[in-house]
Amino acid sequence: RKEVEQDPGPFNVPEGATVAFNCTYSNSASQSFFWYRQDCRKEPKLLMSVYSSGNEDGRFTAQLNRASQYISLLIRDSKLSDSATYLCVVNMGHTGTASKLTFGTGTRLQVTL
Amino acid sequence: EAGVAQSPRYKIIEKRQSVAFWCNPISGHATLYWYQQILGQGPKLLIQFQNNGVVDDSQLPKDRFSAERLKGVDSTLKIQPAKLEDSAVYLCASSLAGLSVSEQFFGPGTRLTVL
Repeated sequence: RKEVEQDPGPFNVPEGATVAFNCTYSNSASQSFFWYRQDCRKEPKLLMSVYSSGNEDGRFTAQLNRASQYISLLIRDSKLSDSATYLCVVNMGHTGTASKLTFGTGTRLQVTL
Repeated sequence: EAGVAQSPRYKIIEKRQSVAFWCNPISGHATLYWYQQILGQGPKLLIQFQNNGVVDDSQLPKDRFSAERLKGVDSTLKIQPAKLEDSAVYLCASSLAGLSVSEQFFGPGTRLTVL
């Protein structure tokens, strides 16, 4: 089983749609979780951290379910500019120690007119 | 604020040749990472430095890959000799500290093609 698993997609959605991505991770001791965004032929950039209570940043909502070892990202009112690959990232390191990020393969989103 | 710098941006070599990549992290960032990203996959950590010391190199193929961070600032990653399967984008990232909550900032990467 992969340490971090994501559906690679692609997800093709029309502008204005709501889309959700899921991710599962294997290490129950993982401490912190993130979503990174990667545009085509560009470097990954942090989109948002994922907190246990769930968190929202504008049109983006991230949820964490530790019991099921499951992370989600919801994008509302999709824009053309949201087209990118979304990487689920899990820190396998321990709190207060060196970060050890493990990336999923990414889910590709294509928003169309 | 200047981001993470990497060079070269592109490199094409033949198998069994050697290649080196350079990274300059964001000023003041103590932790530096090298990742390998193969097409269609997420980045995979190769090595992590805290200042000039190695924190994690468990996934670095040490028979052909080496990395150093002299003086705790710039870093170089070398492949010698290269194999076809080394074709990938090599990403350098840095963070203020290596702790679990520190955001990692990535450079633009070096795209390596091994023929």
